[in-house]
Order: sequence, then C-alpha cells, then structure tokens
Amino acid sequence: GAVVSQHPSRVICKSGTSVKIECRSLDFQATTMFWYRQFPKQSLMLMATSNEGSKATYEQGVEKDKFLINHASLTLSTLTVTSAHPEDSSFYICSARGQLGEQYFGPGTRLTVT
Amino acid sequence: AQKITQTQPGMFVQEKEAVTLDCTYDTSDPSYGLFWYKQPSSGEMIFLIYQGSYDQQNATEGRYSLNFQKARKSANLVISASQLGDSAMYFCAMRPLGGDYKLSFGAGTTVTVRA
Repeated sequence: GAVVSQHPSRVICKSGTSVKIECRSLDFQATTMFWYRQFPKQSLMLMATSNEGSKATYEQGVEKDKFLINHASLTLSTLTVTSAHPEDSSFYICSARGQLGEQYFGPGTRLTVT
Repeated sequence: AQKITQTQPGMFVQEKEAVTLDCTYDTSDPSYGLFWYKQPSSGEMIFLIYQGSYDQQNATEGRYSLNFQKARKSANLVISASQLGDSAMYFCAMRPLGGDYKLSFGAGTTVTVRA
C-alpha cells in the first residue's frame, strides 16, 4: 500500500511555456502533500506544502506565482511551473503524508527546459 | 528549526563489508523522528529505517541498523554485508513529531559498492 505516482516522469519544454506535474496518492487519501526540488548531486529542498482545499504554504524564497500548486482533491496535487526557464530545469519530487505523519514519495519528475 | 549534517559526501565500500554513514542533527523540539532514505540513480526515494527520539532501542531493518546516540545528537546508519545494489545516495532526515510534519534533509552521502 501507500503508493504515490507522479506524471509525467520526464518532460522537456521550451523556455516560456508552462508545465504541469501531477502527484497522486493511489491507495490512500492525503490531506497534505509536499513538493520538493532537487538539483543534481544535491539534497531535496522543500518548496511548498500543499493542503487539500486551501492555499499552499510556500517556503522562503520560492515564488508562489512561478510555482502554482493546486490540491483540489484528497488524492491529487498539481505543480505548475509557469513561464519555465532553463534554470527551472530540475528533478521535482512530491510526497504524500500518511495518517501517522509519515511521508510517501513519488518517483519524481525530471524537467528540462530548453 | 532543524538542521541535519552529513559530513561524508562520498564513500567506497567493498562488497560484503559493512559501512557506517554519519548523521548529526540539531533541534530544539523535545520529540522528533529520524529517517534514512536511499535514492538510487533512478531518483526514487526509498524509505529505509525510522528512529523515534523516545525509542529506547536502536532501530533495525534487515541489513540496516541505526546507531542512535541521543546525547550526541547522532543517528548513524550502518549497512551490513554491502551489496552492489546498495550503491546510491543516502539521506538522513528528521521532523518534529506533530506540527507541520515537514522533513529536513541532510546533504546526502553517495555510497559506491565495489565488487
């Protein structure tokens, strides 16, 4: 149990376009999901906490107008990178919080902006 | 706020030998949880082991054991009988018990297992 999926697993887009990444909890409901960003050989950096039915909470330094988060249901959160630029190229990972506070991670999405 | 320190950026270990990955932490929270994750080159985060700050015994999960020294604020991971498939990046993480459930990660240690 406790499977989290992400779609797409890889995406290449042109500079200036927007990209949407989906995070789904497949067999449980998650009122809270987290979005992380990871550069090569570096650690995971928390970008924002996504709460079902309310606005996301962004970490300091993360542009909320750049990284739009929507958590419209108990099993789906989306991250939209708006007007993407090459510096937004990164590995984006989501996690969903379980009932006991544990986090189940998705497989990640590799974004390349050309 | 929590801070996790992993001082070993990379380590080599011979197959079948044991390896210890260091992790120290700093927190003002009275109760917290400590986690270790494995991240192979595919990128998925694989949960390995958990230690609660109030747990009296060190956690073990198969070939993984956590050497928890609360007074020293350290939570080292020991991998016994290393296998080639253990080659990956390993992250130590912690979060307060309760509250916002946010995980704080260390910088990670890359482990390469040699045949």
